[in-house]
Amino acid sequence: GAVVSQHPSRVICKSGTSVKIECRSLDFQATTMFWYRQFPKQSLMLMATSNEGSKATYEQGVEKDKFLINHASLTLSTLTVTSAHPEDSSFYICSASRAGSGNTIYFGEGSWLTVV
Amino acid sequence: KQEVTQIPAALSVPEGENLVLNCSFTDSAIYNLQWFRQDPGKGLTSLLLIQSSQREQTSGRLNASLDKSSGRSTLYIAASQPGDSATYLCAVRPKLQASGTYKYIFGTGTRLKVLA
Repeated sequence: GAVVSQHPSRVICKSGTSVKIECRSLDFQATTMFWYRQFPKQSLMLMATSNEGSKATYEQGVEKDKFLINHASLTLSTLTVTSAHPEDSSFYICSASRAGSGNTIYFGEGSWLTVV
Repeated sequence: KQEVTQIPAALSVPEGENLVLNCSFTDSAIYNLQWFRQDPGKGLTSLLLIQSSQREQTSGRLNASLDKSSGRSTLYIAASQPGDSATYLCAVRPKLQASGTYKYIFGTGTRLKVLA
């Protein structure tokens, strides 16, 4: 079946540095990918929608310059947290839309980011 | 605006009990509904997906039902085991979305603890 892979599954970075999280669709082409973030004891919230070959669409309140999203190919989207701060520590998860299958959405397993 | 609520927020049961987790959503115009499991510090695992035309889905000891008209879904876990301890998330994919946008709206989850 279709698989969406995220890497790394867990990352620790120093405050002020940037960290990149990758989301890959392993056996299908994903024209659209979605990035979510989970705050402590809260639900997963959509951050942005990433379309291959175009700029991402960010949800209200999400800083575009802080959370850089690149969807360079039909199988890869990346989320870069720039100048990370401890409050950026969170669980980030991506999902991918598989075209031609009723636009079924597949989720990655997620990535835990800790900023120290 | 679609809102997803999960009750109870936390649940503790002795091993072997059958239990029901509840999910309610405010707008019945949904494309599908999905139940996930999240273990502490781990990623997301998709358990069951119910299309809007379906009333239930089963996988092993898990059974999920969907009543669109009342805006409710339940996840039934039979003969619970300590290994079932996790947070269970319900997510709704709204039907009316702009073309190419297939985001999910997540509930805050139910933290389940099954005692040995």
